[in-house]
Amino acid sequence: DAGVIQSPRHEVTEMGQEVTLRCKPISGHNSLFWYRQTMMRGLELLIYFNNNVPIDDSGMPEDRFSAKMPNASFSTLKIQPSEPRDSAVYFCASSAPRGLNTEAFFGQGTRLTVV
Amino acid sequence: QKEVEQNSGPLSVPEGAIASLNCTYSDRGSQSFFWYRQYSGKSPELIMFIYSNGDKEDGRFTAQLNKASQYVSLLIRDSQPSDSATYLCAVNRAGTASKLTFGTGTRLQVTL
Repeated sequence: DAGVIQSPRHEVTEMGQEVTLRCKPISGHNSLFWYRQTMMRGLELLIYFNNNVPIDDSGMPEDRFSAKMPNASFSTLKIQPSEPRDSAVYFCASSAPRGLNTEAFFGQGTRLTVV
Repeated sequence: QKEVEQNSGPLSVPEGAIASLNCTYSDRGSQSFFWYRQYSGKSPELIMFIYSNGDKEDGRFTAQLNKASQYVSLLIRDSQPSDSATYLCAVNRAGTASKLTFGTGTRLQVTL
């Protein structure tokens, strides 16, 4: 398996533009997570899905952020409109919980810069 | 109070020494505990996880869990320069399909 695949790897956009980040989880994993990482706040969970259903979106910073998971092999995180403070590395992770082992496997991340 | 707290470091240890990384958590309902390593510019990768009180060893790594004190640690024996990275502690409240909550990480520097 190629692991969790994210695209694009890097994104530079102007303030006010819409940004869409994409993620393909590991096949067979039924949980998917979107994280944001900054120097100041570390790794923050934005939203997670279980069996394609959003379970907890309490980490989504505001209405400008939205996430979808239309099927088991694809998810998107959209920011509209984007702002400079959204600049961060966005990670997608997936897991297939087995008892107490809920290891999450991370994609390579998308480095977003909003200018 | 943060849910998962770690000293940001940097923690500097000489090559060959033991590095000790610490983590405390606030939710007594936490059941699974994870240590991830993250190299600069890379994604986090799992080193090991633990869910029972006591020690768990895997090669040069030992995870220690004390639920009464709400404390998790990672020991790295015979530290190597390649161990220089940020180490993230993560906890999970329940065993199935629930979220990992991460600390902000401790940066480890292993010096020659």
